[in-house]
Amino acid sequence: SQQGEEDPQALSIQEGENATMNCSYKTSINNLQWYRQNSGRGLVHLILIRSNEREKHSGRLRVTLDTSKKSSSLLITASRAADTASYFCATEGTSGSRLTFGEGTQLTVNP
Amino acid sequence: DAGVIQSPRHEVTEMGQEVTLRCKLISGHNSLFWYRQTMMRGLELLIYFNNNVPIDDSGMPEDRFSAKMPNASFSTLKIQPSEPRDSAVYFCASSFGRASGYTFGSGTRLTVV
Repeated sequence: SQQGEEDPQALSIQEGENATMNCSYKTSINNLQWYRQNSGRGLVHLILIRSNEREKHSGRLRVTLDTSKKSSSLLITASRAADTASYFCATEGTSGSRLTFGEGTQLTVNP
Repeated sequence: DAGVIQSPRHEVTEMGQEVTLRCKLISGHNSLFWYRQTMMRGLELLIYFNNNVPIDDSGMPEDRFSAKMPNASFSTLKIQPSEPRDSAVYFCASSFGRASGYTFGSGTRLTVV
């Protein structure tokens, strides 16, 4: 079963708006990662946040992590049509390097 | 570096046939993961290797599935015999190990008719 659960399942916004996606998980983690998947393609690693970090930035991406609530959010600022994709959170547990992926959020950015 | 390379990109086969999916890792990566993606079940980890050794194969659905990593840069996933419910996109991914992002291949879309 998937540990991570993304919310919402689908999000449609206009170009230039910000997009926020949330992820919740159940067990203790070593880190949490976000990936993007364009239709028909493999997943692309976006950002990794460790369990002792609360916020991380990369370009137009901002990720927060609240380990007390077992939740994370991904914010994409000033969205572009090219950001249209599915976004997945994935958690690495405290033992082993395997990632468990959530169900994903389908983001559509309308031009 | 060409990234993680999977072959074939698409495979259509008849039920009962053997299917072999191939994956070439990024040089220097020591962990290899096979995932299956379907609309119904999302991304499922089938098996992963660390330094060529299978660490966790609990996600392999049945004995019909087997995976090998004969050397540090190559892996195969075999399904024998294949069934229609095996139809999915199969991804392999590699990484440097813990706390490093995965690099995914482009996937193999398998259709079993």
